[in-house]
Amino acid sequence: DVKVTQSSRYLVKRTGEKVFLECVQDMDHENMFWYRQDPGLGLRLIYFSYDVKMKEKGDIPEGYSVSREKKERFSLILESASTNQTSMYLCASRLAGGGQETQYFGPGTRLLVL
Amino acid sequence: SQKIEQNSEALNIQEGKTATLTCNYTNYSPAYLQWYRQDPGRGPVFLLLIRENEKEKRKERLKVTFDTTLKQSLFHITASQPADSATYLCALDKTGFQKLVFGTGTRLLVSP
Repeated sequence: DVKVTQSSRYLVKRTGEKVFLECVQDMDHENMFWYRQDPGLGLRLIYFSYDVKMKEKGDIPEGYSVSREKKERFSLILESASTNQTSMYLCASRLAGGGQETQYFGPGTRLLVL
Repeated sequence: SQKIEQNSEALNIQEGKTATLTCNYTNYSPAYLQWYRQDPGRGPVFLLLIRENEKEKRKERLKVTFDTTLKQSLFHITASQPADSATYLCALDKTGFQKLVFGTGTRLLVSP
């Protein structure tokens, strides 16, 4: 079974703090994704990586950066957390096979920025 | 612009009935359409994939249809159970970009 793990289920941070969210997958997937999910807005793609050290902006990259130094690990960084970044963050991974490939999600990190 | 629409209102049905959820899309020509289930506080889980040349796909109590003329997919759960209560998301591949684009999901509530 594919497993996608995220470093924390719940996080509470202060405005202005630097926040690291870690994601690890164990199935050698090329593609990894970071989404945030807010009520009524659905899943919104923040960043996407299709290979080590490669990244691509999603729909809402402002205020975020990412790092992919190893194939299995994809990190999301909030450079200076703000209250409007309070959200559920979901990591996902997928084989590079196009639309027929299933996407596997982690359990999510619920981040509260005070 | 490309758009995926799912009914934002929750669907309430009685146990044993068939639930039907709708996914409409515009400005896409997807080769595949996927359905996911999401429970509160958890990540989505893949349920079914249907290809453009498949009219219908079944898995146990689940059935998905795909009408590329109407640009619509229907997701059916027959003999629904309270355990089927969840949010159901449809997703399309953004062609050439290796990214799935998700609808906002429809919440299903099955009452005993």
